[in-house]
Amino acid sequence: GAVVSQHPSRVICKSGTSVKIECRSLDFQATTMFWYRQFPKQSLMLMATSNEGSKATYEQGVEKDKFLINHASLTLSTLTVTSAHPEDSSFYICSANSGTSGGAVDTQYFGPGTRLTVL
Amino acid sequence: AQTVTQSQPEMSVQEAETVTLSCTYDTSENNYYLFWYKQPPSRQMILVIRQEAYKQQNATENRFSVNFQKAAKSFSLKISDSQLGDTAMYFCAHGSGNTGKLIFGQGTTLQVKP
Repeated sequence: GAVVSQHPSRVICKSGTSVKIECRSLDFQATTMFWYRQFPKQSLMLMATSNEGSKATYEQGVEKDKFLINHASLTLSTLTVTSAHPEDSSFYICSANSGTSGGAVDTQYFGPGTRLTVL
Repeated sequence: AQTVTQSQPEMSVQEAETVTLSCTYDTSENNYYLFWYKQPPSRQMILVIRQEAYKQQNATENRFSVNFQKAAKSFSLKISDSQLGDTAMYFCAHGSGNTGKLIFGQGTTLQVKP
């Protein structure tokens, strides 16, 4: 149980284009999903918290107009990188609360990540 | 603000031996949780172990156990009988009981040698 998928696993795009990444909880409903960014050999940095049916909450320093997050259902959140530039190239990971303990205390389960390369 | 510090960027251990990874944290919250996650070369984050801060008893999961020292804000991970499959980057994380947010440490790369 508690499986989270991401699509695509890898994407290459041209500078100036937009890219959408999907995050799905496959066997549970996730009221809260999280989006992280990870550079090579570095830690995960939280970008935003995504709550179903409401606006995402962004961490300080994260441009909300560049990284659009939509949490349309209890099993799907999307991250759209708008007008991507080479500096947006990174590994993007989503996670979802497992929903087993109730609310914020749930363990987060992670998707396999999406490698974005902007040329 | 919460911070998590892992002071060992890299460690190695011989197969079948025991290794301990260190983690210290700082928090202003009373309701929080601590985690160790493993990230193998596939980059899939895998939960290793979870500790509720209100529990005094140290969590264990098979070969993995923690030494949780709440007053010292220390949360180390002990891996017994190390296996080649344990080779990975290990992240310590503080989880907010209020928001669910995770704050990660810098990570420790562990290599298990045959």
